[in-house]
Amino acid sequence: QSALTQPASVSGSPGQSITISCTGTSSDVGAYDYVSWYQQYPGKAPKLMIYAVTNRPSGVSSRFSGSKSGNTASLTISGLQAEDEADYYCTSFTSDTTREAIFGGGTRLTVL
Amino acid sequence: EVQLVESGGGLVQPGGSLRLSCAASGFTFSNYWMTWVRQAPGKGLKWVAHIKGDGSQKSYVDSLKGRLTISRDNAKNSLYLQMDSLRADDTAVYYCVRDMGYYRFDYWGQGALVTVSS
Repeated sequence: QSALTQPASVSGSPGQSITISCTGTSSDVGAYDYVSWYQQYPGKAPKLMIYAVTNRPSGVSSRFSGSKSGNTASLTISGLQAEDEADYYCTSFTSDTTREAIFGGGTRLTVL
Repeated sequence: EVQLVESGGGLVQPGGSLRLSCAASGFTFSNYWMTWVRQAPGKGLKWVAHIKGDGSQKSYVDSLKGRLTISRDNAKNSLYLQMDSLRADDTAVYYCVRDMGYYRFDYWGQGALVTVSS
């Protein structure tokens, strides 16, 4: 498995809620609660938004929330704002011996 | 304030070598695992390597193993990535990242661009 599976793009209107999925396997997302989510603006470094599936770092808006069911983790953004338009990546620890952590392919969020 | 500042990126010919450095400040460097993550132009993030706070444990992504060496100097609060036998597909921005534990990457540097081209 080269990457966790995320939709290439999602979109929503201001004020709406959207959910980005991140599908892995029983060797990563399904086996461990070490799923994190990152927000990245073009040309900028990623920013941690969610860690350990559901936890928000200090300073991150409560509009961002995380969850997991089986091999799929999800990031939900409620009350969409224009500033949320960015790329979002999930990552998980993996027991795959070829690496320690695996990222998703990334999802471009467009705020209409 | 936590800061991670990469340096050492640039243009290198295929087959060449490069060493990236990351200067850390604002936290007790030796207490943290540190990680390198790279991002090819227009592509997603890829975990590359990490090293334990005391330097006693290191791990690499299999596809790059043998061509990379991660190291650190806690006296200088610095992280390094030695890259050898570089190929065109190693062209990427390389990020220095602090791991808060359990693969929680809480601080990222601004990135160092490595371009492998003749």
